[in-house]
Formats: sequence, structure tokens, C-alpha cells
Amino acid sequence: NAGVTQTPKFQVLKTGQSMTLQCAQDMNHEYMSWYRQDPGMGLRLIHYSVGAGITDQGEVPNGYNVSRSTTEDFPLRLLSAAPSQTSVYFCASRGLLEKLFFGSGTQLSVL
Amino acid sequence: EDKVVQSPLSLVVHEGDTVTLNCSYEVTNFRSLLWYKQEKKAPTFLFMLTSSGIEKKSGRLSSILDKKELSSILNITATQTGDSAIYLCAVKRGADGLTFGKGTHLIIQP
Repeated sequence: NAGVTQTPKFQVLKTGQSMTLQCAQDMNHEYMSWYRQDPGMGLRLIHYSVGAGITDQGEVPNGYNVSRSTTEDFPLRLLSAAPSQTSVYFCASRGLLEKLFFGSGTQLSVL
Repeated sequence: EDKVVQSPLSLVVHEGDTVTLNCSYEVTNFRSLLWYKQEKKAPTFLFMLTSSGIEKKSGRLSSILDKKELSSILNITATQTGDSAIYLCAVKRGADGLTFGKGTHLIIQP
């Protein structure tokens, strides 16, 4: 009963480094998305995908790339990490209903 | 610009009290409003509301949507310490993701 799995749970990067946050779901959901959560800012949508091969930008896409080669996986790439990208990142997927299922989150610190 | 505003931003009450959390929104192409509870990490789903005036209930929690007033409330009766959490309101429009409010941080004191 895995649901949405995110890795890693914690990560520390230096400014300028790149990395990929992994997200996988086993519910055969077409829709997947990435959010970041900052204190006092709520959850903000970074990128989303409505199916394999289709991605689109959300509210705060700058500095992030995504791809969707399979239904199950939706990785988020930080191209050149900046301190402003220090945040908690959540991956979420959605089936036929509007209800989002969230992963357990990745706490990222960029020094 | 789409907006979801929650109030209050934080609230401290005693166990057994009843609380009402508010959410108002300004979005184009409204489809639904959702409430989530966030304790330690991932938000967990509480309710989805699409029709005005129809109350959704789950145990001591209930929620209702008022499309005329562009708002929703989440009620929790007979609060318990386990209800302490951040409660998030989100609005769905079109094919995009959810637009979230900043959340209400609820603390229940024994």
C-alpha cells in the first residue's frame, strides 16, 4: 500500500549543485504535481503533469525542471541550487476525483 | 490573480471547545474546494466541496461551501489534542493544480 513515494527525505546542497528529487506512485494516476511549502507561504505549485509525456508550469517554476516518461514517475530537477530553494517539497498525485495524495515530503537545505 | 485566504492564521483553544476555520477565495473557473489536515508531514485529505449549501461531515468535523459568498467553513466540535494541526484550504480550477491558502495553525491545549 505504498501510494506516493518520495526520496530522499532530507538533503543538503551547496549553492550551484544540481540534484533530482524522485517521486513515484503506484495508483496509476494520470495527474502528478510538485509543490513547495515555505513558512507563511502555504503550498505553491511548481510543475504538474496530466499524463506521460505532458508537463506544464505551475505558480513557481523557475529553477526547476520536470519530465514524465512513465505514468509512475515524476522527478523534479534542481538545475543549479540556490538558497531561495530551501524548502519542503511535496509530490502529489490525483486520480479521477480532485483529491490529491501527497508523498511524505523532502526537506531541502541549500547552503 | 487567484487567491485563497484563510483565517485565522493561528488559533489556540482548550480541549472540548468548538472551532470554526474560515476560507475565502477568488479564482476563475472554480471547480471545487478541498480541506486538508497537516500534522507532521504530508497533508491528508478531509473534504471536497463542489455544491453550495451541502454539508459534508466526518465524525466531529464538518464543512460547508457558500458559492455566493465565495467561502467555506470547517467546524470541529468537542476538540481533542489530536486535532492540533495545520488546516489547509485549497481551490481547484480547470486542469491546473490546487491553489492553497496559507493554512490555519490550530493548537488544542489539554
